[in-house]
Amino acid sequence: GDSVTQMEGPVTLSEEAFLTINCTYTATGYPSLFWYVQYPGEGLQLLLKATKADDKGSNKGFEATYRKETTSFHLEKGSVQVSDSAVYFCALLYQGGKLIFGQGTELSVKP
Amino acid sequence: GAVVSQHPSRVICKSGTSVKIECRSLDFQATTMFWYRQFPKQSLMLMATSNEGSKATYEQGVEKDKFLINHASLTLSTLTVTSAHPEDSSFYICSASQDLYNEQFFGPGTRLTVL
Repeated sequence: GDSVTQMEGPVTLSEEAFLTINCTYTATGYPSLFWYVQYPGEGLQLLLKATKADDKGSNKGFEATYRKETTSFHLEKGSVQVSDSAVYFCALLYQGGKLIFGQGTELSVKP
Repeated sequence: GAVVSQHPSRVICKSGTSVKIECRSLDFQATTMFWYRQFPKQSLMLMATSNEGSKATYEQGVEKDKFLINHASLTLSTLTVTSAHPEDSSFYICSASQDLYNEQFFGPGTRLTVL
């Protein structure tokens, strides 16, 4: 069945460091792909999305490119801030409008 | 973006009691709402999908008699955990969308602790 795999956390970075969080997926067809962010004690917020191959989603300095060849949707940011500390979830849109989430990657950014 | 609220944000109850969690879309009409369960440091697991005015569709392994879902209006869905037990303790999150394939907007979650 369809699934999403993320790199395990926690990831600890210093402020202004480069961030990559890997995400790969298994799916029949070409699903839409998403990155969500969850701040402590809160629900999920959509960070960015891509709906077809080679699309690049971007928001708040974060980027991810839908790579059909490698079935990947890695999240990147050139310079992280302390305020980026959160849990990041990669997800794909499954049949019937359902989202399948990866296990989440906790990011901690130190000043 | 659209706003989804959940109430209560946190609830503690005794084993054997029932707990109702509300999910409201505040500024849009949600024909579809989803209920998720999240264990500590784990991913979200979809429990059920509810469409306004019809019965909820439960995911495999989710007890429909245990987790009662009602979606009586375009702005409100409720999840009732019946005869709660400590293993039902979890973070429950709802999401709402204008239709099945539109963006889902997530509520802030409800922390349920069953003693």
